[in-house]
Amino acid sequence: DAGVTQSPTHLIKTRGQQVTLRCSPKSGHDTVSWYQQALGQGPQFIFQYYEEEERQRGNFPDRFSGHQFPNYSSELNVNALLLGDSALYLCASSLALGNSGYTFGSGTRLTVV
Amino acid sequence: DAKTTQPTSMDCAEGRAANLPCNHSTISGNEYVYWYRQIHSQGPQYIIHGLKNNETNEMASLIITEDRKSSTLILPHATLRDTAVYYCIVRVANTGNQFYFGTGTSLTVIP
Repeated sequence: DAGVTQSPTHLIKTRGQQVTLRCSPKSGHDTVSWYQQALGQGPQFIFQYYEEEERQRGNFPDRFSGHQFPNYSSELNVNALLLGDSALYLCASSLALGNSGYTFGSGTRLTVV
Repeated sequence: DAKTTQPTSMDCAEGRAANLPCNHSTISGNEYVYWYRQIHSQGPQYIIHGLKNNETNEMASLIITEDRKSSTLILPHATLRDTAVYYCIVRVANTGNQFYFGTGTSLTVIP
């Protein structure tokens, strides 16, 4: 049973560019959440997708947007990249109902230069 | 969701029990306590969760005080591979709400 898969694993972008990160959830999960983790910090919640809609959002600007597809996979898009967007981006999948925890992927390391 | 307070760092001798405390004095009756850990540069890994009863699984035990204002994660026989940052999180039951991660406890297991 595959867990959460994220791609790419590493990425280098230039300031002002746009980036798309991808996530395939664990089999059977219907909800995808995205987190940003700066060096030395805990993960910060960006947003959560369920039934192809953004259900919850953290304190992130509109430059951060996402999408969920009918197969529950998800994309995170970041426009107009800033140096401060350099971080590990984590995707987590879960079930919308119940109290089971999240299953996290290994993340995408984004470096903005 | 209630906030949690954890020590910044702890050491534990290999083979001994590691006891990681967490304070969640403002927890509500419908909030679960979850523990995750994160080994360097990997995604967080679920360990255990509970509501008010003590819980045990193959990884750890979770002891929640009777008033639910604090809890302790116990790794019974710590190994070097248990060196990680441990996060204690509370979340309202049956909401699917996001997990709020603090800065966690950095546990170092010493040979």
